[in-house]
Amino acid sequence: SAVISQKPSRDICQRGTSLTIQCQVDSQVTMMFWYRQQPGQSLTLIATANQGSEATYESGFVIDKFPISRPNLTFSTLTVSNMSPEDSSIYLCSVEGQPRQETQYFGPGTRLLVL
Amino acid sequence: GQNIDQPTEMTATEGAIVQINCTYQTSGFNGLFWYQQHAGEAPTFLSYNVLDGLEEKGRFSSFLSRSKGYSYLLLKELQMKDSASYLCAVGQTGANNLFFGTGTRLTVIP
Repeated sequence: SAVISQKPSRDICQRGTSLTIQCQVDSQVTMMFWYRQQPGQSLTLIATANQGSEATYESGFVIDKFPISRPNLTFSTLTVSNMSPEDSSIYLCSVEGQPRQETQYFGPGTRLLVL
Repeated sequence: GQNIDQPTEMTATEGAIVQINCTYQTSGFNGLFWYQQHAGEAPTFLSYNVLDGLEEKGRFSSFLSRSKGYSYLLLKELQMKDSASYLCAVGQTGANNLFFGTGTRLTVIP
């Protein structure tokens, strides 16, 4: 499976500010996914990021709030904009597996606390 | 849409066997996944079933019945380190992401 890293691993931010989370993969992948896991909850997909095209957002998530970049096949960023305490969550990127693309593998996550 | 149900919490004894059930409703079923997630860590892939039957992988086995919309994860010879949340997820045809249940928090006691 791919080795996935995320930066930062955790952060404490003030409301109204923005944070950009980076996801780096050690191999080229077509699909990268961004999930949110709120305290005590399961994972909810925010968006799918394909290289060379606009990200596809799930219902309830919009580009203005969660802009995503995907400049190449090994890297993506998720920005949490104009943060509020409700954005306190773990943000995880994942990639499709190789060779079994149905499987997804997750990065270590970014733990965000908004005050 | 998707609907995935699994028990919220379970407790089992070290050395025992535990079965974690998952029922699902989805259109365009494209596989059933189990992930393990220790507190404060990312989910790690355990198993994938797309055909009916039992898949065995060491102490862990996963079963699928597509007609019943039902799966279970079986953990044998439980160890203290198996204390974690176990997430059931389904894939959907035409969607590349996975849809996750709320997870079952398993506590293994001595």
